[in-house]
Amino acid sequence: GAGVSQTPSNKVTEKGKYVELRCDPISGHTALYWYRQSLGQGPEFLIYFQGTGAADDSGLPNDRFFAVRPEGSVSTLKIQRTERGDSAVYLCASSFTGRNNKAGELFFGEGSRLTVL
Amino acid sequence: EDQVTQSPEALRLQEGESSSLNCSYTVSGLRGLFWYRQDPGKGPEFLFTLYSAGEEKEKERLKATLTKKESFLHITAPKPEDSATYLCAGAPGGGYNKLIFGAGTRLAVHP
Repeated sequence: GAGVSQTPSNKVTEKGKYVELRCDPISGHTALYWYRQSLGQGPEFLIYFQGTGAADDSGLPNDRFFAVRPEGSVSTLKIQRTERGDSAVYLCASSFTGRNNKAGELFFGEGSRLTVL
Repeated sequence: EDQVTQSPEALRLQEGESSSLNCSYTVSGLRGLFWYRQDPGKGPEFLFTLYSAGEEKEKERLKATLTKKESFLHITAPKPEDSATYLCAGAPGGGYNKLIFGAGTRLAVHP
């Protein structure tokens, strides 16, 4: 497809369960980002990949959150032992290389809405 | 601590009534200031990048400006289709990989 694709669009889970959220970036974009957006707030940075490696994971809130991008394209955000406070929209974005002045021009997907009951 | 603050939180305009949205920032070594538009249920959509004080960018009815402390998004003669949340974000020194977003301004334009 032409844009960033995220699945599932909606996920309802119970407290304590494990969740995976998938992101398929725009072809040719080497940089991939995960952000989290709570109701009425702006997106909050979680992690940034340049190619296969996590170049900056300083936004991950704790060790229950982990993300991978094994082949430098599709990425999966993994949340263990979910808590009610994890409920939010998880946004994935991609861009051209993170090192030039086009890098802040992010192309976002529509997000995965996670609800933890 | 890096911070971006947007005002007002919400703005209601009549069609054709021009106004401005404000974005105040304290971002260390600001590398760029970005404006995005977000429609309900969608991801943010890139609008503008501003790199230095005094810079201006325009697109249709929107014009973004930047000073050393704040940015403005001016909306001239808005139409109902301009209704959306407008987000401002700063990129701290060291790279563009971590944007600091404000909470946004929810704009509603009524016919």
